[in-house]
Amino acid sequence: LQLQESGSGLVKPSQTLSLTCAVSGGSISGGDYSWHWIRQPPGKGLEWIAYVYPSGTTYYPSGKTYYKSSLKSRVTISADRSKNQISLTLSSVTAADTAVYYCARTEGGMVFDYWGQGTLVTVSS
Amino acid sequence: QSVLTQPPSASGTPGQRVTISCSGSSSNIGSNTVNWYHQLPGTAPKLLIYSDNQRPSGVPDRFSGSKSGTSASLAISGLQSDDEGDYYCAVWDDGLDGWEFGGGTKLTVL
Repeated sequence: LQLQESGSGLVKPSQTLSLTCAVSGGSISGGDYSWHWIRQPPGKGLEWIAYVYPSGTTYYPSGKTYYKSSLKSRVTISADRSKNQISLTLSSVTAADTAVYYCARTEGGMVFDYWGQGTLVTVSS
Repeated sequence: QSVLTQPPSASGTPGQRVTISCSGSSSNIGSNTVNWYHQLPGTAPKLLIYSDNQRPSGVPDRFSGSKSGTSASLAISGLQSDDEGDYYCAVWDDGLDGWEFGGGTKLTVL
């Protein structure tokens, strides 16, 4: 399984950040897999952002999304089964949103077992 | 500030045994399983320990995890230079309703 992040590398303050995680070597739906976005500001620790269970998964046949409470008003995570990819948008960005953004998978919601290589997003005018 | 407390740094000489602690509360470590990750500069975190004390295939048995109450520990025996890097604990927090990571511990092999 491989996860590959891509998206806007440079975003102006107050604008919207958009990222995509392309998944290869396996389907994003079916089974009990959830897909997450996690970020890491330069020189700092990891911060979980959100997860999505695509529709068609064992426990959430209609799909499910969940967000970190402090980011909930600005974040949207979605899954596109036809493209086998996960997306993230973060609105009204500030310099504090500058980070490497990772997508990751959990099986059974218990552990991040696969990670993408990460993509750096810089918020600057 | 993370709800999971890790020492910012740890060190040891080759062959030594080091432990890294992760202190939490009843809403996270006290009620859910802990995972540990190792991260080298410029790379994604790699799973080291899951479900408190389970090793994924390919992780040497020099690495072990344990948990007691609201604290967890990662032990590394037979320290090697390749073990340098940052180590993070991670657990779901029922109170915050989300995944939480420890602040990370930078391990140096002297």
